[in-house]
Amino acid sequence: QVQLQESGPGLVKPSETLSLTCTVSGYSISSGYYWGWIRQPPGKGLEWIATIYHSGSTYYNPSLKSRVTMSVDTSKNQFSLKLSSVTAADTAVYYCATVRSTLYFDNWGQGTLVTVSS
Amino acid sequence: EIVLTQSPGTLSLSPGERATLSCRATQSVSSSYLAWYQQKPGQAPRLLIYGASTRATGIPDRFSGSGSGTDFTLIISRLEPEDFAVYYCQQYGSSPLTFGGGTKVEIK
Repeated sequence: QVQLQESGPGLVKPSETLSLTCTVSGYSISSGYYWGWIRQPPGKGLEWIATIYHSGSTYYNPSLKSRVTMSVDTSKNQFSLKLSSVTAADTAVYYCATVRSTLYFDNWGQGTLVTVSS
Repeated sequence: EIVLTQSPGTLSLSPGERATLSCRATQSVSSSYLAWYQQKPGQAPRLLIYGASTRATGIPDRFSGSGSGTDFTLIISRLEPEDFAVYYCQQYGSSPLTFGGGTKVEIK
């Protein structure tokens, strides 16, 4: 069973860059699979952010594309998310997940709350 | 962008009752690429159904999904206490991937 764990700062200042890492255990990222990030503002619904293939091909939500970078580090069995120029609207629980090739999310990390505030 | 509208917003039912949740898309979802997730408070979503009707590994058969095109349904045949949660649909037939706003199934 693939397990995922998000990590990163819980508090980010407005206009700065949010950086999160997802550590994968029980599976080698370089073996395949797609990997994704989804977020959920407090008390609200889910929003897809980005998906990456183990080779590095990326797919971004157009609404966030100008601010998002997703990457894979196969040597550490991790993938990461960077979201630049954050505002309070980016406050959310951020989840990493495994993504099937048809692009649904079958395993999720527990999520990490990121608050944007000065 | 395909917008998914879930109804009702809240469903108040008793254990043992049948729950019927709806997910309607603004455009046809290609290849029935629709998934359903269950989320309990403080937890990550859990995949229930993909391909509109295929149960994910370990999901009890009281959960069933159906539909095609723009109209999809999740049915919980007999509610168990652990089924009271929020349910989301997600389409993955076109980019951007989008989720519905959720249906909360609460104890009556």
